[in-house]
Amino acid sequence: DQQVKQNSPSLSVQEGRISILNCDYTNSMFDYFLWYKKYPAEGPTFLISISSIKDKNEDGRFTVFLNKSAKHLSLHIVPSQPGDSAVYFCAASNFGNEKLTFGTGTRLTIIP
Amino acid sequence: NAGVTQTPKFQVLKTGQSMTLQCAQDMNHNSMYWYRQDPGMGLRLIYYSASEGTTDKGEVPNGYNVSRLNKREFSLRLESAAPSQTSVYFCASSEQRESDTQYFGPGTRLTVL
Repeated sequence: DQQVKQNSPSLSVQEGRISILNCDYTNSMFDYFLWYKKYPAEGPTFLISISSIKDKNEDGRFTVFLNKSAKHLSLHIVPSQPGDSAVYFCAASNFGNEKLTFGTGTRLTIIP
Repeated sequence: NAGVTQTPKFQVLKTGQSMTLQCAQDMNHNSMYWYRQDPGMGLRLIYYSASEGTTDKGEVPNGYNVSRLNKREFSLRLESAAPSQTSVYFCASSEQRESDTQYFGPGTRLTVL
């Protein structure tokens, strides 16, 4: 029972263009969502988060959008840079219950 | 600050051998976690500890034990390793009173032959 789904295992985008990574969830109790970035042979690093009281959160080139009615969130990276090539995981929690549920990840490749 | 550190980085075991993976954090976080990452499976929670002296099972606890030695350290033990435990193991910590954001260590790549 995959409560957080990332249906695209991989995505290739040209440098300078927009990268859009998608994530769907099924548990309506989730109210806090995070994106992590992972390079090979390293641990995941926190990128950006959003609470369910918001529908958008920006941090520099990264923006996360949340559509609660569709149970869908997306991460926009603009402009995309070669250093953005990594695996991106979305994660969700019911804030305060101490556990995150992760998606299976999307491998983003930025083409120079 | 080193953040979250894990030892060892790599380990090869034979079926039936035991070993302990070590994790330490210097961020004064209350909560600590152990995950495993397998291809196509994302990160799955093995065990977590909400505070010193407490531990709880996650999604995939079978075959593992944990010890929260003190606030800084959280170890994961494989008593009798099996090939199905070949994986990359990540430790993480968080300060629950602030957010659910977890901070991860660099991982331990374990192969069980």
